[in-house]
Amino acid sequence: GDSVTQMEGPVTLSEEAFLTINCTYTATGYPSLFWYVQYPGEGLQLLLKATKADDKGSNKGFEATYRKETTSFHLEKGSVQVSDSAVYFCALSDPEYGNKLVFGAGTILRVKS
Amino acid sequence: DSGVTQTPKHLITATGQRVTLRCSPRSGDLSVYWYQQSLDQGLQFLIQYYNGEERAKGNILERFSAQQFPDLHSELNLSSLELGDSALYFCASSVGTSFETQYFGPGTRLLVL
Repeated sequence: GDSVTQMEGPVTLSEEAFLTINCTYTATGYPSLFWYVQYPGEGLQLLLKATKADDKGSNKGFEATYRKETTSFHLEKGSVQVSDSAVYFCALSDPEYGNKLVFGAGTILRVKS
Repeated sequence: DSGVTQTPKHLITATGQRVTLRCSPRSGDLSVYWYQQSLDQGLQFLIQYYNGEERAKGNILERFSAQQFPDLHSELNLSSLELGDSALYFCASSVGTSFETQYFGPGTRLLVL
């Protein structure tokens, strides 16, 4: 079945450092890819998405590019802030299996001032 | 605020009991999804309804059931509760059923004692 693998955390960075969170996927169809963020005590918020190969999703300084050849969707941000501290989830939606989301395990990001 | 509402926010109950979690989707959304987030299993898809009909089923236990009503709100019923059912239960909604972005509610935290 479909699956998503994320780098294990926690990831601890200093403010203004560069962020990369790796995400790779396995899917039978042509999935859409998503990054969701969960702040402490809150629900999941959509951060960005990409629906086809080579699409780049971006939002709030975060970016991720849909790479079909490497089955990857790595999340990047050039300069993190303390307020970016949260759990980040990579997910896919495969039309072979309806619109359900398959999530990675999540990566905890801690940003120190 | 995603526009998806869930009640109650917290629920504490005993083993063997039955509880009902409620979700109201965003205005205009016809699909409702239920997910369970636990420490050992991560975020897992349970079930999807579209316009009142069951559309897809995931790792949902037989003790659990759901329905979507004519006004499109949904209820997740959990019965014969066990300690391992303690988790955060999220509802999400989307407009349709294919490649649609899902918007998540704040979740219901269930604690089974």
